[in-house]
Order: sequence, then C-alpha cells, then structure tokens
Amino acid sequence: DSGVTQTPKHLITATGQRVTLRCSPRSGDLSVYWYQQSLDQGLQFLIQYYNGEERAKGNILERFSAQQFPDLHSELNLSSLELGDSALYFCASSPQQGAGGTDTQYFGPGTRLTVL
Amino acid sequence: GENVEQHPSTLSVQEGDSAVIKCTYSDSASNYFPWYKQELGKGPQLIIDIRSNVGEKKDQRIAVTLNKTAKHFSLHITETQPEDSAVYFCARQSYTGRRALTFGSGTRLQVQP
Repeated sequence: DSGVTQTPKHLITATGQRVTLRCSPRSGDLSVYWYQQSLDQGLQFLIQYYNGEERAKGNILERFSAQQFPDLHSELNLSSLELGDSALYFCASSPQQGAGGTDTQYFGPGTRLTVL
Repeated sequence: GENVEQHPSTLSVQEGDSAVIKCTYSDSASNYFPWYKQELGKGPQLIIDIRSNVGEKKDQRIAVTLNKTAKHFSLHITETQPEDSAVYFCARQSYTGRRALTFGSGTRLQVQP
C-alpha cells in the first residue's frame, strides 16, 4: 500500500458527460501528479500540483482540468467525454519538489474510466 | 527529447532464471531513474530507483545499473519467482524543469513455474 488513495475505483459514463476523479496524497506529501494510462499511449503525464498551485502541464487536453485543495487532496475533472478518454487514471504523490533535486513518486491504485 | 525506449516488450523466463530489462534515454538532464512494477488491476509500485551519481544499486534479488555515458539503464532480477510476473516500467526524471516522470513502454515479464 503506497498510502495514496483514489476514488472511485471504477467509473462508467456516457460520451459528452463530465466526471471528477479524486486523489488523496500520502501524509505530508505536497506534490500531486496525474497520469493517464491507455493501451496505445502507455503512461502519460497530465498535470502536477504543488502545495495548491499548478506546477507543470503535460499532455492534458483542454477538456480536462485539475485542482489541489488546501488539505492537499486533488481532483481531476474530465468533461465532454469521448470514447478515447477511456483509460486508467493514476495520481502519484511526492514529498516535495526540491530545487535541483529529484522527486520520488508513489502511485495510487488508479481509477478505471470507461466511456460508452 | 524526453523519450525513453524500453526492451524487450515481453520476456518469458523459467523460475530461478535471471531477467534483464533495458532502457535508453536521450535527455542529458535526466538524473533520476526509477523502476515500477505493475500487477493486474493495480497502480505502479516503486521497486528500486537510482540517481545519476551512482552506477549500480542492489536490493536483494533486484539490481539496477546506470551508464550515463551511453544513456542507458537496466533492471536485473535474479532467481525469478512466479510472483515476479508483472509489467515493469522504467522511467526518468530531469533535474531541470518539471519533475514529471517519462515512462518506457513497459515489459511484460512472465515467470514460468
């Protein structure tokens, strides 16, 4: 158990809908990363938050957004869903983004999103 | 760029044999190289990592080697067991810019009893 929790575990919805995925980082971790895992694209970085602020963006679509709250949990919002958005969505947390240092990331169990 | 190439995509070994998975990267600013194990229906689990100031690191049956000059790193699993069967991902992280991990495409390891 990594200490990172994600809800829900499974989500089934229809095209055009909007969903929210939730992540609680490990106790004390300030950074949250979101990744998407699909069969054809592998594990892809979406977005990172550090202590409530957006820190970096990856291959995140404009239909997707995220935020990190004062208690450090994070939510990933996916809107106008398309069939191709079906994937596993993982969040990872790390202790701190040190200047010039490295960030060991611990992954949650993921949310499996199915868009019908 | 930040790409990571991982080989092989599938690997089948007999229980007790060794398994080696190799990754290459292109970004010279990469300084951190973790390996993750992902079992079916679970999230990636960190199994070992190495930083660029170290050439080799070992943890029981698992070892990682890094060749910074050639820009490649490898995972070595000795005395494989059926419970080692999973998908393994290599990744890299840069000390400049963002800290997001760039992952290899994964290796499906099957350990035959």
